Amino acid sequence: QVVLQQSGPGLVKPSQTLSLTCAVSGDSVSNTTAAWNWIRQSPSRGLEWLGRTYYRSKWYNDYAGSVKSRVTIKAETSKNQISLHLNSVTHEDTAVYYCARDLVVAIARYYHYYGLDVWGQGTTVTVSS
Amino acid sequence: DIVLTQFPGTLSLSPGERATLSCRASQSVDRTYLAWYQQKPGQAPGLLIYGTSSRATGIPDRFSGSGSGTDFTLTISSLEPEDFAVYYCQHYGSSITFGGGTKVQVK
Repeated sequence: QVVLQQSGPGLVKPSQTLSLTCAVSGDSVSNTTAAWNWIRQSPSRGLEWLGRTYYRSKWYNDYAGSVKSRVTIKAETSKNQISLHLNSVTHEDTAVYYCARDLVVAIARYYHYYGLDVWGQGTTVTVSS
Repeated sequence: DIVLTQFPGTLSLSPGERATLSCRASQSVDRTYLAWYQQKPGQAPGLLIYGTSSRATGIPDRFSGSGSGTDFTLTISSLEPEDFAVYYCQHYGSSITFGGGTKVQVK
């Protein structure tokens, strides 16, 4: 059973950096069929994908255009966890943040997508002074 | 990026009724990369359907997905009390996008 356990502060001051961690058990962050995503949810923006990291003989990252200049997602293999860093936060970054795994398997040169099948419990982050 | 539009925004139905939820993509998408999720208050979304029509592990067969091109549908054949929730469609590609959600509420 794969479990994602999130941790990190629930309150961040404007202009500072939001940092969250997602500890993975039951799978390896280096799994070559998995990607590790950060997603946030707010009433104004709905579900918003922030980015992902994944290993395919080397590490790759993809980021959403809306946060690309401010976001870093990293895998820490020694701890089997992933992290999210979002700098220069404003009130608009107030949201529930989730980490989630998805699986993409190449079969006969075609990629099969199995969805975001495991989610962390969510962390409510408020940006306020 | 693919924009996903879900409709209706809210569906008011009674237990036992059939629910039909729609998701329209801003351009044609590969069926393989379309998924559906259910979210209940205070919980993370949970995977229901992947690849347009494949049920995730443990999902009852009253849930079914269909569609192609730009139009996709999630059908709940007979609503159970635990099915009243918000449902999202999602597309996977170079980025991931979600629809705005459909709330299925008790009539």
